[in-house]
Amino acid sequence: RKEVEQDPGPFNVPEGATVAFNCTYSNSASQSFFWYRQDCRKEPKLLMSVYSSGNEDGRFTAQLNRASQYISLLIRDSKLSDSATYLCVVNPSAGTYKYIFGTGTRLKVLA
Amino acid sequence: DTGVSQDPRHKITKRGQNVTFRCDPISEHNRLYWYRQTLGQGPEFLTYFQNEAQLEKSRLLSDRFSAERPKGSFSTLEIQRTEQGDSAMYLCASTGAAWSTDTQYFGPGTRLTVL
Repeated sequence: RKEVEQDPGPFNVPEGATVAFNCTYSNSASQSFFWYRQDCRKEPKLLMSVYSSGNEDGRFTAQLNRASQYISLLIRDSKLSDSATYLCVVNPSAGTYKYIFGTGTRLKVLA
Repeated sequence: DTGVSQDPRHKITKRGQNVTFRCDPISEHNRLYWYRQTLGQGPEFLTYFQNEAQLEKSRLLSDRFSAERPKGSFSTLEIQRTEQGDSAMYLCASTGAAWSTDTQYFGPGTRLTVL
């Protein structure tokens, strides 16, 4: 089983739609969780960290479910500019500062 | 520009040649990471440094790969006897916080093509 798994998509959604992505992780000792965004042929950039209590940043909401070992990202009112690959990132344990990336979920928002 | 920089941006080499890439992190950042990314995949962890110490190295990193950060500032990644399977984007990232997980800032990457 991969350490971090994501549905690669693509998710094709119309403008204004709500879309949600999940990401599962295998190590129950995982400490920190993030969503990064990567545009085509560009480097990844932090979208948001994921906190235990869940957190929201504008149209974006991230949730953590430790019992089921997954994190989610919800995007409301999708914009054309949201089209990108969304990477789930996990710090797998307290004894390391390495990060494991998922394969990414590709989102296309259609006009 | 105070971001992470990488050099060169593109490298084309023949199989069997050695290549070296350089990464300059954000100046006050003390952790530096190397990743490899192929088409349709997320960045794959290779190694990371805390200052000049290489703290962890992926098992996927064969003996042909070596990384250094001699003065705790810039880092180099060398691939010896390149193979076609080494063709990928090599990404460097840095983060500032010494003892916590923190935002990683990525450089633009070095795209390696092995012929």
